[in-house]
Amino acid sequence: EPEVTQTPSHQVTQMGQEVILRCVPISNHLYFYWYRQILGQKVEFLVSFYNNEISEKSEIFDDQFSVERPDGSNFTLKIRSTKLEDSAMYFCASSADRVSEAFFGQGTRLTVV
Amino acid sequence: KNEVEQSPQNLTAQEGEFITINCSYSVGISALHWLQQHPGGGIVSLFMLSSGKKKHGRLIATINIQEKHSSLHITASHPRDSAVYICAVRRAGGTSYGKLTFGQGTILTVHP
Repeated sequence: EPEVTQTPSHQVTQMGQEVILRCVPISNHLYFYWYRQILGQKVEFLVSFYNNEISEKSEIFDDQFSVERPDGSNFTLKIRSTKLEDSAMYFCASSADRVSEAFFGQGTRLTVV
Repeated sequence: KNEVEQSPQNLTAQEGEFITINCSYSVGISALHWLQQHPGGGIVSLFMLSSGKKKHGRLIATINIQEKHSSLHITASHPRDSAVYICAVRRAGGTSYGKLTFGQGTILTVHP
């Protein structure tokens, strides 16, 4: 069964460093999303991506965040200068279109120290 | 006020019990998801509903669009059902690109 894969599963980084979280969405899907979940809190939307551009973003997704689809398969989230409060579980999701079921990756746990 | 509210926040059951988790939402939606999150953190989609009822194994999900309410039922619960169950909605409207708005989750513990 096709699945969304995320790497790495866990990343520890020093405050101020740049991190790139990677996702391989399901191959025929066209809509891609990043969500995050701070420990003990609910999952929050960060950004959606369609047709090689950001289609929607939340107020959390400020200038330190960026997304890219560098080739036909990967979808990345870059955090330019990490802060302690960026520590969270980051989930990638994809769907065939804007009305179909979304499928989630296993998440990347980011710890900023 | 949260757009998606779940109840209860915590639920403890004995193996074999029938379980109900509720979700209420305050916005117009095009679909509602029920998701499962295990202690390792990964999220698995259980159901996507836009009307009526769906069943998969021991899991049943229902939605009442007029009342803006959905329920997830687990029949003959088992310790392996222990997880966080999350309700998430996709808003209706042409400006939505499919993003989901999540409830806070219900922590279910089933004891043998």
